[in-house]
Amino acid sequence: QKEVEQDPGPLSVPEGAIVSLNCTYSNSAFQYFMWYRQYSRKGPELLMYTYSSGNKEDGRFTAQVDKSSKYISLFIRDSQPSDSATYLCAHRARSGGSNYKLTFGKGTLLTVNP
Amino acid sequence: GAGVSQSPSNKVTEKGKDVELRCDPISGHTALYWYRQSLGQGLEFLIYFQGNSAPDKSGLPSDRFSAERTGGSVSTLTIQRTQQEDSAVYLCASSWTHRIHYEQYFGPGTRLTVT
Repeated sequence: QKEVEQDPGPLSVPEGAIVSLNCTYSNSAFQYFMWYRQYSRKGPELLMYTYSSGNKEDGRFTAQVDKSSKYISLFIRDSQPSDSATYLCAHRARSGGSNYKLTFGKGTLLTVNP
Repeated sequence: GAGVSQSPSNKVTEKGKDVELRCDPISGHTALYWYRQSLGQGLEFLIYFQGNSAPDKSGLPSDRFSAERTGGSVSTLTIQRTQQEDSAVYLCASSWTHRIHYEQYFGPGTRLTVT
């Protein structure tokens, strides 16, 4: 079983839709969770970061973490064509010698159609 | 300010040749990472540099891969005797020490094609 599972999509939605992106993980040591956004031919950029169960909101984006189920989600409200990108979930362990290492999902390709 | 830069942006090489990929991190960032992103795969950690500490090379896939970081700034990833399976996008990222846990700034990557 891979440490991080993410549905690669592709996911295509109309403008204005609510988008739900998800990842599951198997390593209980993962305590910090991130979502990165990667536009075509660009490097990933940090979108959201959280370390606790529950919801964290930033504008149109909400990150949700359920540590008991080892499940994380990213919700995008009022999606825009500019949100079209690949979304990568990332995790890291809380402590230990390699706590700088992030484990990434394979990414979900999202297209928002005008 | 300037972000992480990488060169070349694209590299096509013949199987068996050596290649060098360059990364210029954001000024002041002490941590530097190399990742590999293959088609349909997630980011694969290759190597990590932090200040003057010994690098973590645990992600390098074979002894054909090596990397160095000179003067705590510019880094070069070298692949010797390239193979077709080395074809991928090689991404460099850098970070401040106190934010290495989550906030990494990525460059645009070098797209390597081995023919």
